Amino acid sequence: AQSVTQPDIHITVSEGASLELRCNYSYGATPYLFWYVQSPGQGLQLLLKYFSGDTLVQGIKGFEAEFKRSQSSFNLRKPSVHWSDAAEYFCARYNQGGKLIFGQGTELSVKP
Amino acid sequence: KAGVTQTPRYLIKTRGQQVTLSCSPISGHRSVSWYQQTPGQGLQFLFEYFSETQRNKGNFPGRFSGRQFSNSRSEMNVSTLELGDSALYLCASSPAAVNTEAFFGQGTRLTVV
Repeated sequence: AQSVTQPDIHITVSEGASLELRCNYSYGATPYLFWYVQSPGQGLQLLLKYFSGDTLVQGIKGFEAEFKRSQSSFNLRKPSVHWSDAAEYFCARYNQGGKLIFGQGTELSVKP
Repeated sequence: KAGVTQTPRYLIKTRGQQVTLSCSPISGHRSVSWYQQTPGQGLQFLFEYFSETQRNKGNFPGRFSGRQFSNSRSEMNVSTLELGDSALYLCASSPAAVNTEAFFGQGTRLTVV
């Protein structure tokens, strides 16, 4: 079955430091991949998506992600984290049934 | 353009009761999906509708049902509520049939007591 794995449950970074959140997807045809962010008690906001083409995709709020087929990864990065980036981040992919499969999420804390 | 609107935002129900949640998708979007989010199970797919037809259903008991109206608005219903149904229920809308980005609403927080 297709799946998405986010190895890190919780990450803490200092404000201004760089960030990388890991995401691995199970083998399959070219995946449609997404990163979402969720603030406490809120819905999911789409940060960026990868469907095809350039493997480095830019998103909102200064985030980017790189699709690496050889590593089955789609890691999210940000060069300089702001305190307002503290939230939970979800990696997701579409499966053949048209539904989104989510990873378990990575909670990001930002130290002042 | 207005986003995805879910009502109500919060609900408290008693075990055994039933509940109906509503979702208004982004204007022009014809696909609506529902997800359940809990701390233990994470985000799980409930069902997806496109042009009033349920195209896909997740692994949930028959107590969970839904429908979509001709204006693409969707409702989901949970009958005979159990304590374990307490969750954040999220609705997402998409502009096309398959493999496009999904835009989520703020969710409905259901608490079953």
